[in-house]
Amino acid sequence: SQTIHQWPATLVQPVGSPLSLECTVEGTSNPNLYWYRQAAGRGLQLLFYSVGIGQISSEVPQNLSASRPQDRQFILSSKKLLLSDSGFYLCAGSPAGVAQGVYNSPLHFGNGTRLTVT
Amino acid sequence: GESVGLHLPTLSVQEGDNSIINCAYSNSASDYFIWYKQESGKGPQFIIDIRSNMDKRQGQRVTVLLNKTVKHLSLQIAATQPGDSAVYFCAEMRETSGSRLTFGEGTQLTVNP
Repeated sequence: SQTIHQWPATLVQPVGSPLSLECTVEGTSNPNLYWYRQAAGRGLQLLFYSVGIGQISSEVPQNLSASRPQDRQFILSSKKLLLSDSGFYLCAGSPAGVAQGVYNSPLHFGNGTRLTVT
Repeated sequence: GESVGLHLPTLSVQEGDNSIINCAYSNSASDYFIWYKQESGKGPQFIIDIRSNMDKRQGQRVTVLLNKTVKHLSLQIAATQPGDSAVYFCAEMRETSGSRLTFGEGTQLTVNP
């Protein structure tokens, strides 16, 4: 089965510093990968998704970017963090084929990174 | 706009009782629905899903009901246990959105011993 690994679990960064959060996937090839952000006590907002290496779709305008340098690696980055970037960031993956309409396989999530920008 | 939301933000039940968590969605084109459970400090965990061509689906101690007429989704948990305490999210997906899930705001379920 698919396993999503995220690190670090918690991160405190000053305003204006860069960010790099990494997500890797085990147990499946050519997965669809997602970055979500969750505000405290709220639902999940989709930030980016990727259906393959080098293919990134952005869902909302923001201070963040995403990259997929390898099939099972998804990175969330920022050149200069803002206070508003604080939140709980979750990486998720689903087996290939979902984007083609075979969407009967649910997303599996990592355990998230709690980012605090000070 | 389109949204997926929950009727109640919190639900408190006694251990052993049955729990029902509700979710409303606004887009009649939604064709796949998922319930997730999220414990504090962890990522959401898949519970059960249902396609729009179904009205009911059962899992272990959980049942999802889909009423397309009123665009309503519910999660029933039988014999609720303390370990069921968590935030529960419904999510929807439709073919025109590719593989993107839209999540509701969540319901905090608290199970009292």
